[in-house]
Amino acid sequence: GENVEQHPSTLSVQEGDSAVIKCTYSDSASNYFPWYKQELGKRPQLIIDIRSNVGEKKDQRIAVTLNKTAKHFSLHITETQPEDSAVYFCAASFGTGRRALTFGSGTRLQVQP
Amino acid sequence: GAVVSQHPSWVICKSGTSVKIECRSLDFQATTMFWYRQFPKQSLMLMATSNEGSKATYEQGVEKDKFLINHASLTLSTLTVTSAHPEDSSFYICSAVAGTSGRAPYEQYFGPGTRLTVT
Repeated sequence: GENVEQHPSTLSVQEGDSAVIKCTYSDSASNYFPWYKQELGKRPQLIIDIRSNVGEKKDQRIAVTLNKTAKHFSLHITETQPEDSAVYFCAASFGTGRRALTFGSGTRLQVQP
Repeated sequence: GAVVSQHPSWVICKSGTSVKIECRSLDFQATTMFWYRQFPKQSLMLMATSNEGSKATYEQGVEKDKFLINHASLTLSTLTVTSAHPEDSSFYICSAVAGTSGRAPYEQYFGPGTRLTVT
């Protein structure tokens, strides 16, 4: 089955700096890669996703890049703000959407004011 | 749109009792729902895949006789934790896939989760 590894486990940045979180996946058949933000006790919230036919996607301060050859994808957050502090999970799946997501282990991002 | 609800949001039960958790898609039909479990400071781990009208598919290591899943309609899936024990205490989250309702086929919509504490 799919295995997703995520690094780093914790990340502390100063407000305004950029944050980068990286994930690798094992199954070359995976074709959908979402990123979630989860605050304590709440549901994961989709912040951005990318499909395997695209190398990069951007939404305001958030961007995701995908390298299919190397089987890794990254989340980039620019101009970080204290409200970006949360746990971020990457995930991977394949198929038409009827497949469950395999999650990375999570990154706790702390943005220092 | 694409709202998924869970009930209850939290529950405390005594060891040996059973607890039922409901997951509903409120504004779309979900042909497939997933149940995840999340222990404190850990990631979401898939427990089972629930398809409407058929038996759930359980992940390795998840006891199907302990975690009963029923997906009787296109908007409701239930997870029953039978004979709960303290080690079953966790955050249970469901998600739903919209299927062919016109929404993004890849995206999963998560419920708000249910915090189960077994004493």
